[in-house]
Amino acid sequence: EPEVTQTPSHQVTQMGQEVILRCVPISNHLYFYWYRQILGQKVEFLVSFYNNEISEKSEIFDDQFSVERPDGSNFTLKIRSTKLEDSAMYFCASTKDGLGQPQHFGDGTRLSIL
Amino acid sequence: GENVEQHPSTLSVQEGDSAVIKCTYSDSASNYFPWYKQELGKGPQLIIDIRSNVGEKKDQRIAVTLNKTAKHFSLHITETQPEDSAVYFCAAHPGGSSNTGKLIFGQGTTLQVKP
Repeated sequence: EPEVTQTPSHQVTQMGQEVILRCVPISNHLYFYWYRQILGQKVEFLVSFYNNEISEKSEIFDDQFSVERPDGSNFTLKIRSTKLEDSAMYFCASTKDGLGQPQHFGDGTRLSIL
Repeated sequence: GENVEQHPSTLSVQEGDSAVIKCTYSDSASNYFPWYKQELGKGPQLIIDIRSNVGEKKDQRIAVTLNKTAKHFSLHITETQPEDSAVYFCAAHPGGSSNTGKLIFGQGTTLQVKP
């Protein structure tokens, strides 16, 4: 069964450094999402992406965050200048049709900011 | 915006018993309600979902019910097995003008099934 893949599984970075989290969504999916999960807390929506542009972003997704689909397969989340509070699991998800359709999640990247 | 509340936060049952997890949502325009199972070190895995035009859906040992009037939905697992032990999340998809497919999650329920 097709799946969403994310790399790396764990990223350790010094505060203030830039990180790029990578995702390969399911190949025929058109809508892409990033969520984050701080340890022990709920999964929180960050951003949705469709047709090569952001369709919605949450309050968490400030100017330090950006997303890109640099080619036909990858979907990336960049945090420009990391803060301690950015430490979390980051999940990528995709769906064939974004409007109330099943979202398939990757296994996440654990981001640790030192 | 939409807010989803989930209860209980932890649930312990004996193998073979039933487990029920409940969620409430605030946005009456929400129209899609998935349930996810998350095992340690893994991402959320969709186990069942329901749309707002349906009151109940069943898939083998798992069922979901939706009460639109009361704005709550529940996950029912019958004949629980140790491998059902995991964290379960409910979620809601806001309808209306915010229709980008985003999901709003509940806080999660840690289910422990004792052999």
